[in-house]
Amino acid sequence: AQSVAQPEDQVNVAEGNPLTVKCTYSVSGNPYLFWYVQYPNRGLQFLLKYITGDNLVKGSYGFEAEFNKSQTSFHLKKPSALVSDSALYFCAVREFGSGNTGKLIFGQGTTLQVKP
Amino acid sequence: KAGVTQTPRYLIKTRGQQVTLSCSPISGHRSVSWYQQTPGQGLQFLFEYFSETQRNKGNFPGRFSGRQFSNSRSEMNVSTLELGDSALYLCASSLLSQGQETQYFGPGTRLLVL
Repeated sequence: AQSVAQPEDQVNVAEGNPLTVKCTYSVSGNPYLFWYVQYPNRGLQFLLKYITGDNLVKGSYGFEAEFNKSQTSFHLKKPSALVSDSALYFCAVREFGSGNTGKLIFGQGTTLQVKP
Repeated sequence: KAGVTQTPRYLIKTRGQQVTLSCSPISGHRSVSWYQQTPGQGLQFLFEYFSETQRNKGNFPGRFSGRQFSNSRSEMNVSTLELGDSALYLCASSLLSQGQETQYFGPGTRLLVL
């Protein structure tokens, strides 16, 4: 079965410092990987995705993620954190196979706290 | 282009009642998926619809059902509500139903069952 793990419930970082939110995955074939962010009382906002090609994916709001096939990881990064980046972050993998093209499998989420 | 819209945004029901939630996808999108978000279970897939057909279903009891209309709008229904059904219900749409596509989420409907 395909799965996603976000090993950290919370990540704390000072404003201006680089941030990393970790994600590892388990799939039977090639993965489609996604990062979403959720602000309080809001839905999920798409940040970026990896489908194929360059292992470094750039997304919205200065975020990027590095796909590492050997370590089955897809960590979210940002060179300089902002207080406004504080939110709940979800990593997700698309399950594919017969009849499973739409379903996203989410990690448990990581709360990012950026302190001034 | 307008995003995914969900109505109502908030809902309070009592145990045993039923509820219907509505989702309007981004214009032109034909695939709609529903997810349940709770603090304990996280984000769980409910079902996906494409061109009025259910393509996939998650591990939820039969009390949870859905449908999609010819204009791609979707509804989900929960009958005989239980306290554990209290959650944020999120709808997401995509153009088609292909693995590499991005799903765009609505703001959600927060359901409280008393």
